Amino acid sequence: NAGVTQTPKFQVLKTGQSMTLQCAQDMNHEYMSWYRQDPGMGLRLIHYSVGAGITDQGEVPNGYNVSRSTTEDFPLRLLSAAPSQTSVYFCASITYKDRSGAFFGQGTRLTVV
Amino acid sequence: AQSVTQLGSHVSVSEGALVLLRCNYSSSVPPYLFWYVQYPNQGLQLLLKYTTGATLVKGINGFEAEFKKSETSFHLTKPSAHMSDAAEYFCAVSDDRGSTLGRLYFGRGTQLTVWP
Repeated sequence: NAGVTQTPKFQVLKTGQSMTLQCAQDMNHEYMSWYRQDPGMGLRLIHYSVGAGITDQGEVPNGYNVSRSTTEDFPLRLLSAAPSQTSVYFCASITYKDRSGAFFGQGTRLTVV
Repeated sequence: AQSVTQLGSHVSVSEGALVLLRCNYSSSVPPYLFWYVQYPNQGLQLLLKYTTGATLVKGINGFEAEFKKSETSFHLTKPSAHMSDAAEYFCAVSDDRGSTLGRLYFGRGTQLTVWP
């Protein structure tokens, strides 16, 4: 059981480039979300999805897009990377069937130069 | 909306000393509360959670936390710190109602340092 898998683990982008951060979970969880973690700021919610075909914005959605075509996958797209998007990104999934809390991926460390 | 305040961004203790990490929350509905631990260059791992029932909850690695509704607190404790406890700790409250079901609100984290 792999849990939540994020790829890549590290990425360096030039300003203006686009890329997709991948997130997949094999637990059949309904809810998936993307967070960014910056020093002293905790984790801030970027986008989330309560099920396939349904997505919504979190606290800091600007500059990011998401889609949820399947239960398993929830990719995060950076449309035109900016230095302010340098951060560590975490994907998490939750099931509504119990209160086991969120399962997190290992993170993607992104640097925009 | 829910919010979480963690008092103290850095806490230092000696090995064998009591660990106390503070967390206060605000919630308009009965909350679900969580503590997560993050070791360097890793993701977040669930330490313990409060949903309903007993207000003193025990987690992994000897940690426990007590839900005090009157104080809107969920402080994390461990009687005797170990070097391996050095990590960042996050308190979170879950939105378990309506359109924001499943959403987690995190505190800013507390970095725990353990001195030998």
